[in-house]
Amino acid sequence: KAGVTQTPRYLIKTRGQQVTLSCSPISGHRSVSWYQQTPGQGLQFLFEYFSETQRNKGNFPGRFSGRQFSNSRSEMNVSTLELGDSALYLCASSPTGGGYTFGSGTRLTVV
Amino acid sequence: AQSVSQHNHHVILSEAASLELGCNYSYGGTVNLFWYVQYPGQHLQLLLKYFSGDPLVKGIKGFEAEFIKSKFSFNLRKPSVQWSDTAEYFCAVNAWIQGAQKLVFGQGTRLTINP
Repeated sequence: KAGVTQTPRYLIKTRGQQVTLSCSPISGHRSVSWYQQTPGQGLQFLFEYFSETQRNKGNFPGRFSGRQFSNSRSEMNVSTLELGDSALYLCASSPTGGGYTFGSGTRLTVV
Repeated sequence: AQSVSQHNHHVILSEAASLELGCNYSYGGTVNLFWYVQYPGQHLQLLLKYFSGDPLVKGIKGFEAEFIKSKFSFNLRKPSVQWSDTAEYFCAVNAWIQGAQKLVFGQGTRLTINP
């Protein structure tokens, strides 16, 4: 069974631009969560989607948004990028009942 | 504030030494507990998890963890570490927080094993 797929693996953007990251969960998993990982802050929860609805949200500004499609694939968007948004963005999929499988992440560098 | 605490930021051991990494959480009610490992340049991998039942959980690569409910702890252990265990280790708690289930991570513990 295929794992969680995140694209792209690496991304370089300039300040002020916007970016969209994609996550395809494990087949049958309806929950997709997004995390930001940085050396200073560790793993910070961004949001969770379940059946196309945002079920949960972390403490990030409104520049960070997401959505989930009917096939459970999810996208995360960051607008007006700042240098501090440079991080590894991780997606995790989960079946009903818990247990999270993480993707390899997208490493975003903002210059 | 509710949180997950990993007490050791960086642990350095020699091969064959025994390992114990601490994890405490502050959420009440039913929790699911996880340990993840992140090898250099790789993604998070699940080492082990506790949902219910026997509080001593065995995971992959010889790791185990013990859930002690009265101490709100879920410490990770390995009797004899190897150089290949060098990685960052994250404790995570899945709990109901403000009406929704959230997976909250500790800050991570960097483990360095010297050959």
